Amino acid sequence: DAGITQSPRHKVTETGTPVTLRCHQTENHRYMYWYRQDPGHGLRLIHYSYGVKDTDKGEVSDGYSVSRSKTEDFLLTLESATSSQTSVYFCAISDFGSGNTIYFGEGSWLTVV
Amino acid sequence: QKEVEQDPGPLSVPEGAIVSLNCTYSNSAFQYFMWYRQYSRKGPELLMYTYSSGNKEDGRFTAQVDKSSKYISLFIRDSQPSDSATYLCAMSANTGRRALTFGSGTRLQVQP
Repeated sequence: DAGITQSPRHKVTETGTPVTLRCHQTENHRYMYWYRQDPGHGLRLIHYSYGVKDTDKGEVSDGYSVSRSKTEDFLLTLESATSSQTSVYFCAISDFGSGNTIYFGEGSWLTVV
Repeated sequence: QKEVEQDPGPLSVPEGAIVSLNCTYSNSAFQYFMWYRQYSRKGPELLMYTYSSGNKEDGRFTAQVDKSSKYISLFIRDSQPSDSATYLCAMSANTGRRALTFGSGTRLQVQP
């Protein structure tokens, strides 16, 4: 298994509160990603990072921000959580040493009530 | 229209059957094609990886890519109950954003 740890694994929060999800990797991979997974939509890219302090938006970035101050950590922040952000969030990593393969963490289940 | 289309299923087959899973896509820039398997409440795990067109075989699994038709397939031979999972196709281009675009996944149930 790729060395990816997501925290928290489960969280229930109230509408309007800020939430931060953490992704920690031990593989020293350059690229890190945050995806969300919803029924009927599959996995959709929220934000990604191609190096320390280098980040860019994905297709569903509204309402989310990210930060990467160290190679091993990639944080996803919901500035003011809404019910539409109830989802499963997956962190992923890649070094593109073996093509464009990406390895996923175990997921963080977030419920906004 | 989604960039990658995948039949959501569910697909139910008897143990030992040959399973065919498929995706179509619209972006001709896609060069890398992958299949992920995802068990319930788990993260996706990489199953097969193919670059450009052609076939690739790994044990009971065969991945096919037909770029001229923008169509990819995953075949599972001698399917087992342990193959019951959701199968996600994914693909990416060689340049630009190094991220995968996923299909919505096909749920497979192999009946013992």
